[in-house]
Amino acid sequence: EDQVTQSPEALRLQEGESSSLNCSYTVSGLRGLFWYRQDPGKGPEFLFTLYSAGEEKEKERLKATLTKKESFLHITAPKPEDSATYLCAVQMNTGNQFYFGTGTSLTVIP
Amino acid sequence: GAGVSQSPSNKVTEKGKDVELRCDPISGHTALYWYRQSLGQGLEFLIYFQGNSAPDKSGLPSDRFSAERTGGSVSTLTIQRTQQEDSAVYLCASSLYQGKAFFGQGTRLTVV
Repeated sequence: EDQVTQSPEALRLQEGESSSLNCSYTVSGLRGLFWYRQDPGKGPEFLFTLYSAGEEKEKERLKATLTKKESFLHITAPKPEDSATYLCAVQMNTGNQFYFGTGTSLTVIP
Repeated sequence: GAGVSQSPSNKVTEKGKDVELRCDPISGHTALYWYRQSLGQGLEFLIYFQGNSAPDKSGLPSDRFSAERTGGSVSTLTIQRTQQEDSAVYLCASSLYQGKAFFGQGTRLTVV
């Protein structure tokens, strides 16, 4: 069965303490993998799209990487404003819907 | 508008009533999605539109749920005879055919 799993469920970091969030997927025929950020009471905000193994994308303190089985969202020297839930989603070649993981809730403590 | 707009932002309704939720996608986006997010749960796919047609309705949980899209733009999600388990945040997203989707702020539905 196709599945998207994110870990950890929750992560608390000190400001400046770098870490990584994981998204593992077991889908047949990946069209793309997407990272979103969601703040409380808001809709998900698009961050990155990755299409093929080995691809990397960067934006400010965030860097997303992709292998054939998983993606990592690396957060370098996080700030309190990076606190949010980070969602991973995959889209398959055979369809159009996005399959979402349950997210990682990140808290960055000043 | 610049982004996906959903209305109302909040809706409280009595059990058994019908509700309509509206989504205005980004201009020019041909693909439109409805998702549901319950407290502590992941995003649950409901329906996908390409233009005015819905090639994938596989996520609609029951025949009480229906959706339409007119003019390749605005979409309405209708829930008939609402139940308490329908309480959730309903999210709409749009994209250019395939690829990254942009979400609205959602409609928080509470059935009392």
